[in-house]
Amino acid sequence: GQNIDQPTEMTATEGAIVQINCTYQTSGFNGLFWYQQHAGEAPTFLSYNVLDGLEEKGRFSSFLSRSKGYSYLLLKELQMKDSASYLCAVLSNDYKLSFGAGTTVTVRA
Amino acid sequence: EAGVAQSPRYKIIEKRQSVAFWCNPISGHATLYWYQQILGQGPKLLIQFQNNGVVDDSQLPKDRFSAERLKGVDSTLKIQPAKLEDSAVYLCASSPPGQGHLVETQYFGPGTRLLVL
Repeated sequence: GQNIDQPTEMTATEGAIVQINCTYQTSGFNGLFWYQQHAGEAPTFLSYNVLDGLEEKGRFSSFLSRSKGYSYLLLKELQMKDSASYLCAVLSNDYKLSFGAGTTVTVRA
Repeated sequence: EAGVAQSPRYKIIEKRQSVAFWCNPISGHATLYWYQQILGQGPKLLIQFQNNGVVDDSQLPKDRFSAERLKGVDSTLKIQPAKLEDSAVYLCASSPPGQGHLVETQYFGPGTRLLVL
C-alpha cells in the first residue's frame, strides 16, 4: 500500500516562494505527480517526476528523491490565483494513483 | 479538445435513497476512473475500467456501490442505498492508452457533489 504525507496548510504572501513537501512510503513506485485543485474544481495536472532531480516548469518546480521517499513542489513568484490545494500522488507499479490529503496554500496580498 | 464531462454537478438526497452519476471521458481515452473525495482528503480510487472491463474495484463498497461502462465509452456510478458517509465529491478521470515508456496523465472531470441528509 501507499502512505503519503504532506502538510495540511501553508500561508505565504504574494510574490514570495513556498515549498510543499511530500513524503511517501510505497510498496511499488512508478512516479510521483503533483496536482492543483481550486476549491470546488477538479484536480489539474502540474508535474510528473520518475527520476531523481528537479523538473522546472515556469514558476513551478518539482523535485524527487526516490531513495528518501521525498518530493517537493516549489511555487515561485506567488500570485493570488495560486491559492488552492496541492495534491501529491504516487503511481504504483500497476499504475494506480494514490493521493495525499492535500496542502491548502493561501496567498495573502 | 473537450474535457471529461460529468453530470449532475450537484445532488442532494436523503439516506437510503438511490443516486446515479454519469461520466463521459475524453474521446479515445481507454481508461476511466471513478474517485471519491471526502472533504479535506485526497481522492480515493473506487474503480478503474480499461475499455469496458474492470481493472480494479478493490476499494468499491460493493454492497451499495456499482459501476458500469457497457460500451467502453461513458460510465455510470450508482449508490443504492446511500448513507450519510457517502457525502463527497465523485470525480471521474480518464487517461489515454500508454505510449511505450510514457506514463498516462489522468484528466479529471468537474465532479459531482453529493450531499446525503
